Amino acid sequence: AQKVTQAQTEISVVEKEDVTLDCVYETRDTTYYLFWYKQPPSGELVFLIRRNSFDEQNEISGRYSWNFQKSTSSFNFTITASQVVDSAVYFCALRPSNTGKLIFGQGTTLQVKP
Amino acid sequence: EPEVTQTPSHQVTQMGQEVILRCVPISNHLYFYWYRQILGQKVEFLVSFYNNEISEKSEIFDDQFSVERPDGSNFTLKIRSTKLEDSAMYFCASRVAAQSTDTQYFGPGTRLTVL
Repeated sequence: AQKVTQAQTEISVVEKEDVTLDCVYETRDTTYYLFWYKQPPSGELVFLIRRNSFDEQNEISGRYSWNFQKSTSSFNFTITASQVVDSAVYFCALRPSNTGKLIFGQGTTLQVKP
Repeated sequence: EPEVTQTPSHQVTQMGQEVILRCVPISNHLYFYWYRQILGQKVEFLVSFYNNEISEKSEIFDDQFSVERPDGSNFTLKIRSTKLEDSAMYFCASRVAAQSTDTQYFGPGTRLTVL
């Protein structure tokens, strides 16, 4: 079965704290793609990152970093020094190689308080 | 920067009525998608479209739904006879065919309210 699990439903932090959003996926494919999208209160889905299964390098983009570990089927997302503007729902998604569709997790609602 | 656009942003309709949701994908993209998100829930795949035909569809995409690319720019989702449970945010997405740029970009969504 192809599945994405985001066990954290809601996270609340105070501004400037670091926060990690967990994502665990299931697939039997050897080639697949993982994504993170941000959904701010305005409702749109904003692409953050794509990671291919054959590229396990971690990535850092400003305050954002992603830790991809195939051994544990996890693709976690860390925000360093969180800001109020980071408040949103964050979705992790899986795209198996033999399909174009994205399989989304349930999302994690992040609230950053001033 | 090119982006996916959707119209209308909000559609209110009566149960049993037909609705057409419109999308303009990014111009050089070849794969098109519709997803829906019931309020407070996860985003669910409905259908994918390539080369003027459906390439994949989910169980949700039953005979009440249809998609069309009526011209070179628009991509539409039609719901023939809306039900209360069709109330959701509908997202259109597109991507380029090339694997190296395999990212789906989403439109801002259309909020459909069925009364």
